[in-house]
Amino acid sequence: GQQLNQSPQSMFIQEGEDVSMNCTSSSIFNTWLWYKQDPGEGPVLLIALYKAGELTSNGRLTAQFGITRKDSFLNISASIPSDVGIYFCAGPALSSNTGKLIFGQGTTLQVKP
Amino acid sequence: GAVVSQHPSRVICKSGTSVKIECRSLDFQATTMFWYRQFPKQSLMLMATSNEGSKATYEQGVEKDKFLINHASLTLSTLTVTSAHPEDSSFYICSASNWRGHTGELFFGEGSRLTVL
Repeated sequence: GQQLNQSPQSMFIQEGEDVSMNCTSSSIFNTWLWYKQDPGEGPVLLIALYKAGELTSNGRLTAQFGITRKDSFLNISASIPSDVGIYFCAGPALSSNTGKLIFGQGTTLQVKP
Repeated sequence: GAVVSQHPSRVICKSGTSVKIECRSLDFQATTMFWYRQFPKQSLMLMATSNEGSKATYEQGVEKDKFLINHASLTLSTLTVTSAHPEDSSFYICSASNWRGHTGELFFGEGSRLTVL
């Protein structure tokens, strides 16, 4: 079945540093979604990408939908302590037209002040 | 973004009792809602797809008699954990979809932490 491979699994960085994480798949996705989950909370949508090659920013966050439609990356610039959390990439299952998503394994980000 | 409200956020119950978790889509009508379960430091595991006015579709390995799902309206879905046991303790998260065809977004509730004693 479809799978999303997300890397790195975890990151421990210094405040102010830039962060990059990515998701890859052996199958094509038509939409890429990036979520952030704070401890004890539900995931919050950060960026949605709908078109191959699309580059979208949301404040210090930038995400791109790969040209091959098999990958996407998320960058965070000038990290701050509140960026701490788990970041998930997600994409719709091919078999679904209801929004059933496949999730990556998540990237746990820790920021040292 | 859209708001999805989940209640209760935390619940502690005795083994053998049933627990109901509500998921409400506050600002859009969600024909489809999803229920996930998440173990510590793991990704979200889809349990079932809840369709308004019809039976839920359960993922492989999820007991439908154990996890009862009702999607009575376009804004409310409920998950009832029946005869809960300690192994059912987990973080349960719902989401509401505004998906149309092959595009859309998925919005999550705040999650419900279930602890079964």
